[in-house]
Amino acid sequence: QQQVKQSPQSLIVQKGGISIINCAYENTAFDYFPWYQQFPGKGPALLIAIRPDVSEKKEGRFTISFNKSAKQFSLHIMDSQPGDSATYFCAASRGGGNKLTFGTGTQLKVEL
Amino acid sequence: GAGVSQSPRYKVAKRGQDVALRCDPISGHVSLFWYQQALGQGPEFLTYFQNEAQLDKSGLPSDRFFAERPEGSVSTLKIQRTQQEDSAVYLCASSLGLGRNYGYTFGSGTRLTVV
Repeated sequence: QQQVKQSPQSLIVQKGGISIINCAYENTAFDYFPWYQQFPGKGPALLIAIRPDVSEKKEGRFTISFNKSAKQFSLHIMDSQPGDSATYFCAASRGGGNKLTFGTGTQLKVEL
Repeated sequence: GAGVSQSPRYKVAKRGQDVALRCDPISGHVSLFWYQQALGQGPEFLTYFQNEAQLDKSGLPSDRFFAERPEGSVSTLKIQRTQQEDSAVYLCASSLGLGRNYGYTFGSGTRLTVV
């Protein structure tokens, strides 16, 4: 059972554009929603995270939007840069973030 | 150390062979996690430790998989009688504590190929 669904599978964005990646979850017990960035040959690195009592969180060019009633959350990357080209994973956990359930990933390519 | 260190980076095993994958967490990190990442997929939870105690091993796919952290620092993931479906990247992560206030730091993983 896939508890966190992520889309799109791949995304191409022009430099300076906005990249948007969406995730939907099923388990209403989830209470922590992080996003991870992974470069080839590296482990995932935490980008930004949100709790369900907040509808939006912004850190630099990265923003998470959270819709609790729809059980959806999304990552927006503003002013996308070629260096943002990587695979992005959404994730969710319950009870304090110990065991993460990851989405299937979005391969982002930012073109010049 | 500065980060989570995993060794070996690459491992090729013949089907039926036993393998051992090592994880050196960040010094002082009490929590340690193992994940399995198949090609083109997100990481999937295997097990986690708080110090030397294995608190959850619900993600281990079969009894061929075994993890230990005897002194609460270095951890080893052992896979017995490897099968082709075990081919994946095995990621280790550590954190200062348990809970969402403590972010994970992942290592670069061990890529296991079973031939």
